[in-house]
Amino acid sequence: SAVISQKPSRDICQRGTSLTIQCQVDSQVTMMFWYRQQPGQSLTLIATANQGSEATYESGFVIDKFPISRPNLTFSTLTVSNMSPEDSSIYLCSVAGDRETQYFGPGTRLLVL
Amino acid sequence: SQKIEQNSEALNIQEGKTATLTCNYTNYSPAYLQWYRQDPGRGPVFLLLIRENEKEKRKERLKVTFDTTLKQSLFHITASQPADSATYLCALGESFQKLVFGTGTRLLVSP
Repeated sequence: SAVISQKPSRDICQRGTSLTIQCQVDSQVTMMFWYRQQPGQSLTLIATANQGSEATYESGFVIDKFPISRPNLTFSTLTVSNMSPEDSSIYLCSVAGDRETQYFGPGTRLLVL
Repeated sequence: SQKIEQNSEALNIQEGKTATLTCNYTNYSPAYLQWYRQDPGRGPVFLLLIRENEKEKRKERLKVTFDTTLKQSLFHITASQPADSATYLCALGESFQKLVFGTGTRLLVSP
């Protein structure tokens, strides 16, 4: 298994600003994922981030709104840009484990006012 | 349209009983299905994986079944304990590391 940490754990932001969320893993992993979990909703995959290549975004998510960096095999960032109240959510990173399992970080709770 | 349905209402059971949670899906052809546990303020934790050619999987007090004809998975916790109280998510896997999650069912186990 992998131990994953995220920073910040929570934040309150003003609309129009941007927030960068960090995800740190205690081991080297190839595949990292960013999810959004809105209140009462399921986890929705935003993008897959592989080291050394551009992130692959899911339908409904674009790089201008959610730019992702993956500078090495243990770290990734997700930026939520030009935020609006609709971006209020929990943002989670995960990493690919053995076979098809995923290990999740604790999440970042974002409230946009 | 594609849909994954888990009972949105909380499931309340007494300690010692068996909890059974349901995951139904429409217009998916998953190669595998997973169950995760999520506690408040935490990320999901992987519990079990079952593949399309498997009918049943067990791990300690947990059992999962997968019926691709009914398009349904059942997740059982036997001899439930208050510590089992959490939200349980099913996730369909149509390809490698490509998961689609249900909204989860909250389980409450009373002493």
